[in-house]
Amino acid sequence: AQSVTQPDIHITVSEGASLELRCNYSYGATPYLFWYVQSPGQGLQLLLKYFSGDTLVQGIKGFEAEFKRSQSSFNLRKPSVHWSDAAEYFCAVGSRSNDYKLSFGAGTTVTVRA
Amino acid sequence: ETGVTQTPRHLVMGMTNKKSLKCEQHLGHNAMYWYKQSAKKPLELMFVYSLEERVENNSVPSRFSPECPNSSHLFLHLHTLQPEDSALYLCASSQVVSGSACEQFFGPGTRLTVL
Repeated sequence: AQSVTQPDIHITVSEGASLELRCNYSYGATPYLFWYVQSPGQGLQLLLKYFSGDTLVQGIKGFEAEFKRSQSSFNLRKPSVHWSDAAEYFCAVGSRSNDYKLSFGAGTTVTVRA
Repeated sequence: ETGVTQTPRHLVMGMTNKKSLKCEQHLGHNAMYWYKQSAKKPLELMFVYSLEERVENNSVPSRFSPECPNSSHLFLHLHTLQPEDSALYLCASSQVVSGSACEQFFGPGTRLTVL
């Protein structure tokens, strides 16, 4: 079974600074990988996904993520954060053998200070 | 309406009440999901319906009863809940293609408080 670890529970970053959120997964083959964002009181919104091909994936809101097979990681980055990026971020993994099930990490809360 | 909608957005109920949560997806998807989100815990998958048949039930207590009358609608019937059931309940949908995990689209959730 696949699993996801997000090592950082909470990150505080200054507005305009860069942001990197870590995600490590456990899965025997090449997984499908996702990053979602959740603003307070809202559902989850898909930021980006990796299925195959180029390991650097571009998403919405200026986010990107890089799949590194050797490190079993799929870290999310943004070069310059905006106050509106304050939210909770979830990494998720799916498998080719199970069409519908995603496993989610516990999430990382991002606080943006002025 | 677009995307995935959920009603009500907030619900307060006593332990002896019966209530239902409603989810509707306007995306033409063939699978729908119920998740429970508690503070500082990973999302817990509760139920999955694919083509209106329940394909997963993750050891959820019987006080939660799902219903999927068609591919666009999903209900979660609640009966004699416990205070620890207080959480955000999220509905999601996806277009399942055999052999390919796919992104799920989420509704805004129902914030449930059990007194």
